[in-house]
Amino acid sequence: AQSVTQLDSHVSVSEGTPVLLRCNYSSSYSPSLFWYVQHPNKGLQLLLKYTSAATLVKGINGFEAEFKKSETSFHLTKPSAHMSDAAEYFCVVSNKEYGNKLVFGAGTILRVKS
Amino acid sequence: DAGVIQSPRHEVTEMGQEVTLRCKPISGHNSLFWYRQTMMRGLELLIYFNNNVPIDDSGMPEDRFSAKMPNASFSTLKIQPSEPRDSAVYFCASSSTGTGSYEQYFGPGTRLTVT
Repeated sequence: AQSVTQLDSHVSVSEGTPVLLRCNYSSSYSPSLFWYVQHPNKGLQLLLKYTSAATLVKGINGFEAEFKKSETSFHLTKPSAHMSDAAEYFCVVSNKEYGNKLVFGAGTILRVKS
Repeated sequence: DAGVIQSPRHEVTEMGQEVTLRCKPISGHNSLFWYRQTMMRGLELLIYFNNNVPIDDSGMPEDRFSAKMPNASFSTLKIQPSEPRDSAVYFCASSSTGTGSYEQYFGPGTRLTVT
């Protein structure tokens, strides 16, 4: 079985400060892991993906995530938040057992204060 | 490159009417997914197709919902008859099984309001 836990439903940061969105996963097989972002009234956009290559994955808009197998974590970070980063972020897992279905976390809403 | 295309973007209809949502996947992708998103239930997978064949429709809420994929470039999700509780944003997504990494690309969604 596989599942995803996003540890914070809401995160609030000031513009220019670091962002940390936490995600833990469970997977019976080697997982593929993703972060998606959804801006208000928009579709989901792929931010970055991990697929068993480098454990530190760089994505769009300055985001990156590190796969830590020992901790079963895939936290999303950004050194300096921008107002345009305010959105909802989803951590997602998949593996060969589930074919190409994705399992979504509940989402973390990121608020960026000016 | 054109992404996943969905139409209409907004649909307002009265209870009891038939609603048809349309999706054009990314060219070359062979898997297509229909999702529903609401505040209460979050994002739910309704059905998905591989190579135009429905693989898993366990998320379809009831017989009022049906989905078809007549060819590799087009899919429909139909609700008949529609009910107010069907109000939601419906997303279509596509992916390529050939990559082995399972990422899906989402369309902009159709916001359905049933009054």
